[in-house]
Amino acid sequence: KAGVTQTPRYLIKTRGQQVTLSCSPISGHRSVSWYQQTPGQGLQFLFEYFSETQRNKGNFPGRFSGRQFSNSRSEMNVSTLELGDSALYLCASSLGDGGNEQFFGPGTRLTVL
Amino acid sequence: AQRVTQPEKLLSVFKGAPVELKCNYSYSGSPELFWYVQYSRQRLQLLLRHISRESIKGFTADLNKGETSFHLKKPFAQEEDSAMYYCALSSTGTYKYIFGTGTRLKVLA
Repeated sequence: KAGVTQTPRYLIKTRGQQVTLSCSPISGHRSVSWYQQTPGQGLQFLFEYFSETQRNKGNFPGRFSGRQFSNSRSEMNVSTLELGDSALYLCASSLGDGGNEQFFGPGTRLTVL
Repeated sequence: AQRVTQPEKLLSVFKGAPVELKCNYSYSGSPELFWYVQYSRQRLQLLLRHISRESIKGFTADLNKGETSFHLKKPFAQEEDSAMYYCALSSTGTYKYIFGTGTRLKVLA
């Protein structure tokens, strides 16, 4: 079974720009979660999508948004980038039934200049 | 509020010494608890979960509902155990997954 894939792996943007990150889950997984990972804050939950619907949301500003497609692939968008958005963005997929193991992708390293 | 607390950001131990990574949680229902590990240049991956009650790579973790803790233990640390460890809680009711802030374990030769 192919693992979770994320594209692109690296991104460099400037303040004020917007960015879209993509995540392809493991086949058969209906839940995709997004996390921001930084050395200081650890792993912070952004949101989770299940069957094309946002099921859970973390405490991030509205500049962070996402969506999920019918094939369970998910995208995350960050608008009006700020320097503090520089981080590793991880996506994880699971069956979505609750209490399931999450399978993580390699992450997208976003640098905002 | 649901919360997972890992009080230590960094834990350094010598090879062969016992190691205990602490995890406390706050949750009103019956959570499922996990430990995830991230080795250098590798993906975050599941190490173990409390319902399986198994030992993985010599690590064990016991869920203590009275103390709301799920500490990760290993009797003899190895250098290859050096990694970032995250404790996580999952709610079967809300499907939320909550991670702690992580503990970096360094095993010194």
